Amino acid sequence: EAGVTQFPSHSVIEKGQTVTLRCDPISGHDNLYWYRRVMGKEIKFLLHFVKESKQDESGMPNNRFLAERTGGTYSTLKVQPAELEDSGVYFCASSQGGGGNEKLFFGSGTQLSVL
Amino acid sequence: QKEVEQNSGPLSVPEGAIASLNCTYSDRGSQSFFWYRQYSGKSPELIMSIYSNGDKEDGRFTAQLNKASQYVSLLIRDSQPSDSATYLCAVTPYGQNFVFGPGTRLSVLP
Repeated sequence: EAGVTQFPSHSVIEKGQTVTLRCDPISGHDNLYWYRRVMGKEIKFLLHFVKESKQDESGMPNNRFLAERTGGTYSTLKVQPAELEDSGVYFCASSQGGGGNEKLFFGSGTQLSVL
Repeated sequence: QKEVEQNSGPLSVPEGAIASLNCTYSDRGSQSFFWYRQYSGKSPELIMSIYSNGDKEDGRFTAQLNKASQYVSLLIRDSQPSDSATYLCAVTPYGQNFVFGPGTRLSVLP
């Protein structure tokens, strides 16, 4: 069974440009999460989808970040326009259950560098 | 106060020794506790989950949870060089999604 896949693995863009990250969760997992790890800091929650609905987007830093999950399958996270402080590793994770007891399975992440 | 705290390390132990990793959390209503292992440049990988007070063993790994003291630990017996990685503690505070600690870097010396 395929795990959580993310694309691209690396992205280098200039400040002001737009970048779109994609995540394909494990098949059958209704819960999809986006996390970000900025250099030297802990992994921080961005948002949580249950199927196609945003369950919790309290971690989204500002309105330059837009996440979608069309049809409850894959998800995209768009950053527009990108700023220097957006650099970091963006992880996607999925889980089958819910309620805080479920086990998260992570993708390998997208390393975003904004120059 | 940070929600989940860990000693950043590095924690160095000789091969074959017991590695002890600790994590404290601030929300008394936290329900679930997880240990993830992350190799450099790779994704976090779930090692252990624990939900009730006491010890939980899985192979060379033992997770210990003490809700009264608000700490959770991970013991790795017979440490191997391949165990060298960053270990992330994750907690689900009441009504919130997963909160991760900063991670402890473990180095097992041959």
